[in-house]
Amino acid sequence: SQQGEEDPQALSIQEGENATMNCSYKTSINNLQWYRQNSGRGLVHLILIRSNEREKHSGRLRVTLDTSKKSSSLLITASRAADTASYFCATEFMNRDDKIIFGKGTRLHILP
Amino acid sequence: DVKVTQSSRYLVKRTGEKVFLECVQDMDHENMFWYRQDPGLGLRLIYFSYDVKMKEKGDIPEGYSVSREKKERFSLILESASTNQTSMYLCASSLPQLPGELFFGEGSRLTVL
Repeated sequence: SQQGEEDPQALSIQEGENATMNCSYKTSINNLQWYRQNSGRGLVHLILIRSNEREKHSGRLRVTLDTSKKSSSLLITASRAADTASYFCATEFMNRDDKIIFGKGTRLHILP
Repeated sequence: DVKVTQSSRYLVKRTGEKVFLECVQDMDHENMFWYRQDPGLGLRLIYFSYDVKMKEKGDIPEGYSVSREKKERFSLILESASTNQTSMYLCASSLPQLPGELFFGEGSRLTVL
């Protein structure tokens, strides 16, 4: 399967701490995106990083991409209760008819 | 803001029924997608469309068909619903250029009894 794999599957941290989620994939990509999904809702786009970029920031989010290791990480700094959600990486593979393939997600729970 | 609207948030159907899931987007996006989401399996692509009357199979098209008669509307059809099609169905749209940020609807949770 070319599906990306998030790690860990689930993560619980205290409010205020940083949360790090990882995504690994198997074949070359055009870009990688991260999405958030609140329980029972649709997905919301967070950030996109292109294959020629190594790091990107958006507010409290920091995404890195290591194409040599075929992996990406999403860091959420100073976590808040509202960050409780599932987080998915989505990869746009080269030569895959521009399909976007999602991983299984990381469930993040922020403890008060 | 882009709005992707799925007509039904919750549906309960019986085995063998024909089911229509409707999706409408209001931002003139060329690309539209249908995914299903199941615990432990993540999102899996069922069908997608890059233009009116055009459709392409995704990774799990069996048991499904789609219709794209108008640019803003992409319908997912279950010709004869089965219990293994109980799932959350998510519609998304995007502009045609790469990279493609997806805009999702709120989802339709289908239960087939």
